[in-house]
Amino acid sequence: DIQMTQSPSSLSASVGDRVTITCRASQGISNYLAWYQQKPGKVPKLLIYAASTLQSGVPSRFSGSGSGTDFTLTITSLQPEDVATYYCQKYNSAPHTFGQGTKLEIK
Amino acid sequence: EVQLLESGGGLVQPGGSLRLSCAASGFSFSNYAMSWVRQAPGEGLEWVSDISGSDDSTDYADSVKGRFTISRDNSKNTLYLQMNSLRADDTAVYYCAKARSKVPAAINHWGQGSLVTVSS
Repeated sequence: DIQMTQSPSSLSASVGDRVTITCRASQGISNYLAWYQQKPGKVPKLLIYAASTLQSGVPSRFSGSGSGTDFTLTITSLQPEDVATYYCQKYNSAPHTFGQGTKLEIK
Repeated sequence: EVQLLESGGGLVQPGGSLRLSCAASGFSFSNYAMSWVRQAPGEGLEWVSDISGSDDSTDYADSVKGRFTISRDNSKNTLYLQMNSLRADDTAVYYCAKARSKVPAAINHWGQGSLVTVSS
């Protein structure tokens, strides 16, 4: 099975900072990758699908890139409401594995 | 507005069974793949299973294969997860989730979750 590895597992950044989270697949998955945001005590929310397509209603400070095995989620100007855990998920074929998550905090 | 309402969770003894239901509304249920995703207390998201909206084909995580069965009743707009031979490590919040297309894809809508606790 293809493994999905996120890095870092946690990070702390200041408001206004540019933040990058990485997701690496153990084998190529083309662009079949989604990013989700889960705020504390809340249900996950889709941010990005097809590696780089912004879900409707998601602020433009979020962006995704990559293809094959290496993907990134970027927040261009971190806002206080972005405190959350972020997950990547592959969906090219089963199992549709999630990454282990990246917990983002404000410094 | 898309709504996914899970029910059927609760406390069950190891080795027991439980059936989760997810009542869907606000979209053409039969035209979309549906998934179950779980989250153990304090842990990350774990994909459990999904069912296609095109041919009802199913897939399962290795951790539940042979014990869990996903199904759907398009006439009732309802998704099910039959869980047998439950173990303590199946304890989690189980989310019903809707994919963006007929085949399994990114999840664009999530239910509020149903807590399943496996304990004696």
